[in-house]
Amino acid sequence: NAGVTQTPKFQVLKTGQSMTLQCAQDMNHNSMYWYRQDPGMGLRLIYYSASEGTTDKGEVPNGYNVSRLNKREFSLRLESAAPSQTSVYFCASEILPYNSPLHFGNGTRLTVT
Amino acid sequence: KNEVEQSPQNLTAQEGEFITINCSYSVGISALHWLQQHPGGGIVSLFMLSSGKKKHGRLIATINIQEKHSSLHITASHPRDSAVYICAVRLSGGATNKLIFGTGTLLAVQP
Repeated sequence: NAGVTQTPKFQVLKTGQSMTLQCAQDMNHNSMYWYRQDPGMGLRLIYYSASEGTTDKGEVPNGYNVSRLNKREFSLRLESAAPSQTSVYFCASEILPYNSPLHFGNGTRLTVT
Repeated sequence: KNEVEQSPQNLTAQEGEFITINCSYSVGISALHWLQQHPGGGIVSLFMLSSGKKKHGRLIATINIQEKHSSLHITASHPRDSAVYICAVRLSGGATNKLIFGTGTLLAVQP
């Protein structure tokens, strides 16, 4: 039981390059989330997926797209990376009903130069 | 003003000390989470509370819904407790998927 697996752990991109962050969970969770963590700020929600086949914008969706490929996998894509997207990204999942513990991946440290 | 405020922002303690980290919030919530993040590491859920008190080992979390306040206590602190502790609240009402996170409390426990 691996929990939430997130790849890659580190990535450096040049401005304008694209990449996809992968996230998979093996806990049969319905809800999955992508957050970014920046110094001095709390985690901010980029996108979430309440169930397979649905995705919705969070607080800071601009510059990102997501795909809920199946119940296990939720990917985050940066189509044209910008320096403002330098951050640490976390994937998380939880099971409905909502008042249950959150499970996080180990994070992806992304630098855009 | 942030909807979730943690205090202190930074805390240094000596091994064995009793530690308290506070979280105040200004919104209606259905639950409050305490999370732990070690330097360079992932985030681990410690507690989820909707009322009262929970205990796990040397960690105790309490919540006062009327006062919109929660505390995380660590008894007999140890250097391995050094981490960032994050409070997060789940909004009540329609936006039940929405969590608001505090900025965290950086705890350093010195031997």
